Amino acid sequence: QVQLQESGPGLVMPSETLSLTCTISGGSFSSHYWTWIRQPPGKGLEYIAYIYHSGRTNYNPSLESRVTISLDTSKNQFSLTLSSVTAADTAIYYCAGLRATWWLEYWGQGTLVTVS
Amino acid sequence: QSALTQPPSASGSPGQSVTISCTGTSSDVGGYNSVSWYQQHPGKAPKLMIHDFNERPSGVPDRFSASKSGNTASLTVSGLQADDEADYYCSAYSGTNNLVFGGGTKLTVL
Repeated sequence: QVQLQESGPGLVMPSETLSLTCTISGGSFSSHYWTWIRQPPGKGLEYIAYIYHSGRTNYNPSLESRVTISLDTSKNQFSLTLSSVTAADTAIYYCAGLRATWWLEYWGQGTLVTVS
Repeated sequence: QSALTQPPSASGSPGQSVTISCTGTSSDVGGYNSVSWYQQHPGKAPKLMIHDFNERPSGVPDRFSASKSGNTASLTVSGLQADDEADYYCSAYSGTNNLVFGGGTKLTVL
């Protein structure tokens, strides 16, 4: 059973860069597209980006100019950076495992990041 | 504003059935069978309930089923139970290599 765990600062200052890491355990790194999803408090879900084990990436067009996703296969981790953050980027950030037909099979517990 | 439209709320009594709709366009819901549904209890991560239009992961009861007509997908929960009370989100592949979500529906078991 795949388990995902997000880690990173819970508070980021406006205009700075948000950085999060997701650690994958219990599964194959090549089995999924590793993905970041976010959810502003009390609101809906938003896809941010994915990365495949080959290094191939895909970004939500609305965030692409500020987002970078990367992976470290030696540590079974993938990471998210989001630059020039504002209060609108305050959200629970989830890492997740996406299947090829675009369904999110596994989810981390989520981590709240506040921009203030 | 979410790309897919869901009713903000739905309700039913224990044992009844309730259907939640998810309306998109021919570029997402109507164009592919890549619609999935997620259940989210308060303070918890979303949980996959349905994928690839009407496939249930192992462990999800067959009380949950899905359908699609044109640009609208639907999730039906039959035999409502107290634990079904949660927020439900639909998602769909959008042909521009993007994943879009509905705004969520709060299901109340009366």
